[in-house]
Amino acid sequence: EPEVTQTPSHQVTQMGQEVILHCVPISNHLYFYWYRQILGQKVEFLVSFYNNEISEKSEIFDDQFSVERPDGSNFTLKIRSTKLEDSAMYFCASGREKNTGELFFGEGSRLTVL
Amino acid sequence: DQQVKQNSPSLSVQEGRISILNCDYTNSMFDYFLWYKKYPAEGPTFLISISSIKDKNEDGRFTVFLNKSAKHLSLHIVPSQPGDSAVYFCAASARGYSTLTFGKGTMLLVSP
Repeated sequence: EPEVTQTPSHQVTQMGQEVILHCVPISNHLYFYWYRQILGQKVEFLVSFYNNEISEKSEIFDDQFSVERPDGSNFTLKIRSTKLEDSAMYFCASGREKNTGELFFGEGSRLTVL
Repeated sequence: DQQVKQNSPSLSVQEGRISILNCDYTNSMFDYFLWYKKYPAEGPTFLISISSIKDKNEDGRFTVFLNKSAKHLSLHIVPSQPGDSAVYFCAASARGYSTLTFGKGTMLLVSP
């Protein structure tokens, strides 16, 4: 069964460093997302991406964040200068259609900022 | 601002009995509702969904009920199995948008 894959599974970084999280969505999906879950809190939407551009973003997704689909398979999330509060589990997700809401999530990348 | 609320952080049920997980929402623009299940160290996995034009959707042991007037939905699992032990997230999306708004989750523990 096709799945969303994410790397790394865990990254530890120093505050102020740049981090890139990688995702390979399911190949025939058109909509791509990043969500995050801070420990003990709910899963929060960050950004959605369709047709090679950001379609929606939350207030969390400020200028420190960016996304890119550099080729036909990868979808990356970059955090330019990490802060302590960026420590969270970051989930990539993809979907076939816009309005059904059914998303397929990866296993997550745990980011720890020291 | 919690647009999707799951007021029970945990629920314990015996194997074979019914599990009922509840979810309330405040945003009247939501028209599609989903339940996701999450095991530790894994991403959320889609379980079942319901459109606002329906009030019930059933898939095997899982049934989701939607009460639009009360802005309330519930997930029934019957019979519950130990493998159902996980965190269950209620999520909602609004027409024209593909993003999901999640609740905080309810941890279900099904004991043998």
